[in-house]
Amino acid sequence: GAVVSQHPSWVICKSGTSVKIECRSLDFQATTMFWYRQFPKQSLMLMATSNEGSKATYEQGVEKDKFLINHASLTLSTLTVTSAHPEDSSFYICSANRGDTEAFFGQGTRLTVV
Amino acid sequence: GQNIDQPTEMTATEGAIVQINCTYQTSGFNGLFWYQQHAGEAPTFLSYNVLDGLEEKGRFSSFLSRSKGYSYLLLKELQMKDSASYLCAVLDSNYQLIWGAGTKLIIKP
Repeated sequence: GAVVSQHPSWVICKSGTSVKIECRSLDFQATTMFWYRQFPKQSLMLMATSNEGSKATYEQGVEKDKFLINHASLTLSTLTVTSAHPEDSSFYICSANRGDTEAFFGQGTRLTVV
Repeated sequence: GQNIDQPTEMTATEGAIVQINCTYQTSGFNGLFWYQQHAGEAPTFLSYNVLDGLEEKGRFSSFLSRSKGYSYLLLKELQMKDSASYLCAVLDSNYQLIWGAGTKLIIKP
């Protein structure tokens, strides 16, 4: 089946630094990818929709200058958390759509900002 | 390895009740989620279970048995708008989400 790979799985960074998370669709082309954030034991929160070759669409309340999304190819989208702070510590998950009906999820990236 | 199993597709009749099962084998357990996803849309959160038992929320209920590695989502009084994919996901001991492939639920009049 289709696989979406997210990297890294874990990252610890210092406050004020930036962290890049990659989301790759391994065996299909994804014109649309979604980025989510999940705090422990809470629901997934959609952050933004990433479309290949165009600017991402951010959900209300998500700072686009802080969470930079680049969907440069049909198999790769990246989320960069800029100037990270401890409150950005969370679990970030991507998903990639194959066609209109199938969504495949990455295993998530656990970000800890110290 | 880690594994989540759920049926690929189910069909039910409007007004009826349907139960979607999910079995899991993961390295550790920190909770199980159910999500609903309509075609072309982002998934929406339905439920979270971390303790054994049944959690009811309106027409939707979710059950968990940790000893059996088993959960189900129960949908009552089915409506046409309930036609969607239902995803089961488990948080493992590293707080990574392990996803099932989803169950496509088709509601017929």
